[in-house]
Amino acid sequence: GAVVSQHPSWVICKSGTSVKIECRSLDFQATTMFWYRQFPKQSLMLMATSNEGSKATYEQGVEKDKFLINHASLTLSTLTVTSAHPEDSSFYICSASGAGGSTDTQYFGPGTRLTVL
Amino acid sequence: AQSVTQLDSQVPVFEEAPVELRCNYSSSVSVYLFWYVQYPNQGLQLLLKYLSGSTLVKGINGFEAEFNKSQTSFHLRKPSVHISDTAEYFCAVSEGGFKTIFGAGTRLFVKA
Repeated sequence: GAVVSQHPSWVICKSGTSVKIECRSLDFQATTMFWYRQFPKQSLMLMATSNEGSKATYEQGVEKDKFLINHASLTLSTLTVTSAHPEDSSFYICSASGAGGSTDTQYFGPGTRLTVL
Repeated sequence: AQSVTQLDSQVPVFEEAPVELRCNYSSSVSVYLFWYVQYPNQGLQLLLKYLSGSTLVKGINGFEAEFNKSQTSFHLRKPSVHISDTAEYFCAVSEGGFKTIFGAGTRLFVKA
């Protein structure tokens, strides 16, 4: 139980284009979803927290107009990187809480490797 | 404010030897504590968690951790490691199970 998927697992795009990453909780309803960014050999940096049906809460320093988050349902959140540039290349990981009706634990997706040329 | 310190960035160990990965945290309130493992190019997998109750927590893959409130530590241990345990390990803390703060990670490298 408590499985989270991400799609795509990797994506390569040209500079200036937009990329959408999906995060789905497969076997539970996620009350909250989180988006992280991870640079090589570094820890996870929380970008934003989202609850279904409401606006995401962004961490300080994260551009909300560049990283658009939509949490349309209890099982799906999307992160859209708008007008991507090479410095946006990174590993993006989502997580979700709410499995078993509890918010005490986050379950992570497998991550999406974004490369912007 | 919460913080998490993983004292070792890398831990090399021989196969079948015991290992301990250290984690200290700071928080002004009661916390939940977690250990996650990350294999290359993958997401994080939950190894174990402490929410309340017994301070010795057993997780998957033979790992265990002990919550020590007085020392604000949550060290991860395994009595005998395998090559397949080579990975990055992250300690994490949350207050009330909401926002989670991660440590910088410890790279466990198991040698034959």
